Amino acid sequence: VVMTQSPLSLPVPLGQPASISCRSARSLVDTNGDISLTWFQQRPGQSPRRLFYKVSNRDSGVPDRFSASGSGSDFTLKISRMEAEDVGVYYCMQGAHWPFTFGQGTKLEIK
Amino acid sequence: QVQLVQSGSELKKPGASVKISCKTSGYSFTSHTLNWVRQAPGQGLEWMGLINTNTGNPTYAPGFSGRIVFSLDTSVATAYLQILSLRNDDIAMYYCARASFDFWGEGTLVTVSS
Repeated sequence: VVMTQSPLSLPVPLGQPASISCRSARSLVDTNGDISLTWFQQRPGQSPRRLFYKVSNRDSGVPDRFSASGSGSDFTLKISRMEAEDVGVYYCMQGAHWPFTFGQGTKLEIK
Repeated sequence: QVQLVQSGSELKKPGASVKISCKTSGYSFTSHTLNWVRQAPGQGLEWMGLINTNTGNPTYAPGFSGRIVFSLDTSVATAYLQILSLRNDDIAMYYCARASFDFWGEGTLVTVSS
């Protein structure tokens, strides 16, 4: 399943909002009836960190300025106010169909 | 607390093989599958496959089957990734991640050079 993210590069001024889109080529409903769409953050030099699972379930420790939504084949990750610690690459991933596939990544930087 | 600790960086010659370990702690090893993810320098994330830590049954992603082997040692709660016949395009960071990708190892850098 091809996962397409946009934009691939996103410069955002501190304090401003950011939005990343992720689109799948097919339905992401898994065998449990859940939508298996996950968002990750990868800060420079670090391992990926899961932010949201099953579209919009926030992981522990993820600031509430991050939100995620979507349905069908269209998903969005939003940051309400850009902070310096948010710099990094963000990936979506589908886990409904083998092989699991990631989007190309969106590089979020400070403008 | 849940931890996945990977083995250190490796430098290998073309054609050699490498075996990376992912030692887990803080949870029941056999209750969660273990994923392997590759990241080439400056590139994105690629899922290599997973291993069922209860049965030992591996599932390999199509682009990787044939030259990689997943294995386990449940006595020490450790998973292994072996890459055979190393090539230049195997140069990458390799990560292990628990079933739903909620916990990741720190990554193991594999370099291939003659």
